[in-house]
Amino acid sequence: DIQMTQSPSTLSASIGDRVTITCRASQSINDWLVWYQQKPGKAPKLLIYKASSLESGVPSRFSGSGSGTEFTLTINGLQPGDFATYYCQQYDSYYTFGQGTKLEIK
Amino acid sequence: QVQLVESGGGLVKPGGSLRLSCAASGFPFSNFYMTWVRQAPGKGLEWVSYISSSSSFTKYADSVKGRFTISRDNAKNSLYLQMNSLRAEDTAVYYCARGGARVAMGYWGQGTLVTVSS
Repeated sequence: DIQMTQSPSTLSASIGDRVTITCRASQSINDWLVWYQQKPGKAPKLLIYKASSLESGVPSRFSGSGSGTEFTLTINGLQPGDFATYYCQQYDSYYTFGQGTKLEIK
Repeated sequence: QVQLVESGGGLVKPGGSLRLSCAASGFPFSNFYMTWVRQAPGKGLEWVSYISSSSSFTKYADSVKGRFTISRDNAKNSLYLQMNSLRAEDTAVYYCARGGARVAMGYWGQGTLVTVSS
């Protein structure tokens, strides 16, 4: 089974900051990676698919990169609504989620 | 617009059974893979199962294999999850989502809570 490891588990940042979240796969998944944002009590929201493709309607301050085993989600110019938990997920072989990164206000 | 509405959650005793439903609308249901994902209280997301558009292909997480069965009725635009031999660790919010295999889950329902407790 493919394991996904996200870091950091918690990230403190301020409005306007640029932040990066990393996701590592236990084996190559090519670019079969997505990023979700989840707010408390709500369903996850798809942000990025195929590692770097922005889902329709998602602000351009969100970007994804990487391939193989190393991936990053970058948010440029944090907005108040961006404070949430972010999950990566591979879909190369079945589905596996990372453990999540909670983005908090500093 | 795409809508996914789960139902069927509730309190069940260990060893019991429950059937979840997901009513889909706003898209050609029979064209899409569908997936169940769960989230235990305060925990992360866990993929449970997905099913192909024609029901010919199903996959399960090891944690539910042999106990849960995914199915769909394309005539009723509905997805199901039959859960048997439930355990305390199955307690979670269960989400249905559109997508599966190499299709990202772009639409999710609001979730239904399953609590397994004596």
